[in-house]
Amino acid sequence: LAKTTQPISMDSYEGQEVNITCSHNNIATNDYITWYQQFPSQGPRFIIQGYKTKVTNEVASLFIPADRKSSTLSLPRVSLSDTAVYYCLVGFWMDSSYKLIFGSGTRLLVRP
Amino acid sequence: GAVVSQHPSRVICKSGTSVKIECRSLDFQATTMFWYRQFPKQSLMLMATSNEGSKATYEQGVEKDKFLINHASLTLSTLTVTSAHPEDSSFYICSARGDFGYTFGSGTRLTVV
Repeated sequence: LAKTTQPISMDSYEGQEVNITCSHNNIATNDYITWYQQFPSQGPRFIIQGYKTKVTNEVASLFIPADRKSSTLSLPRVSLSDTAVYYCLVGFWMDSSYKLIFGSGTRLLVRP
Repeated sequence: GAVVSQHPSRVICKSGTSVKIECRSLDFQATTMFWYRQFPKQSLMLMATSNEGSKATYEQGVEKDKFLINHASLTLSTLTVTSAHPEDSSFYICSARGDFGYTFGSGTRLTVV
């Protein structure tokens, strides 16, 4: 059964590095792994996307091991404004149908 | 590029009425559309997947007669919430998949009163 798993919540302090891992055992072979950020009452906002190894952009890095069964979102130096819910988004093939499924979300709280 | 327009962004309707939400890919052809629903403090749950010209595939627990999905063209999919009730109040968001990958609409907040 395809499933993604994320920690429910994480606490951090300003300036620290935060790593959030999502496990996705049965990811579709040729699919990207995408991470989103969501603030209350808003839609999800794209953060970063990758297929394998490491991807970095101006706000985050994404680490994907060779087996692609997990991925780790790394936020280098968090600020208070990074307090939000973070979701991984992964594609699965189930019953011959392709499904794009969000993880359960990780609620990040950044403290001063 | 790869813009998905979803509207309305907010809608309030009376219980028992129907509401249509549109999801349109503006600059690419969307072979597949995904519809999600999000209740407060929960994740975005996949409701259904639709491919252009064929019937939508609904996830377990989603009533296909209540949530009508039409994907008649490669640039437009609609979700109609029929006979809406207050428990249907939620955030609905679509995603369109093209050759490059997928992109999301901005979402629709439905309130049924």
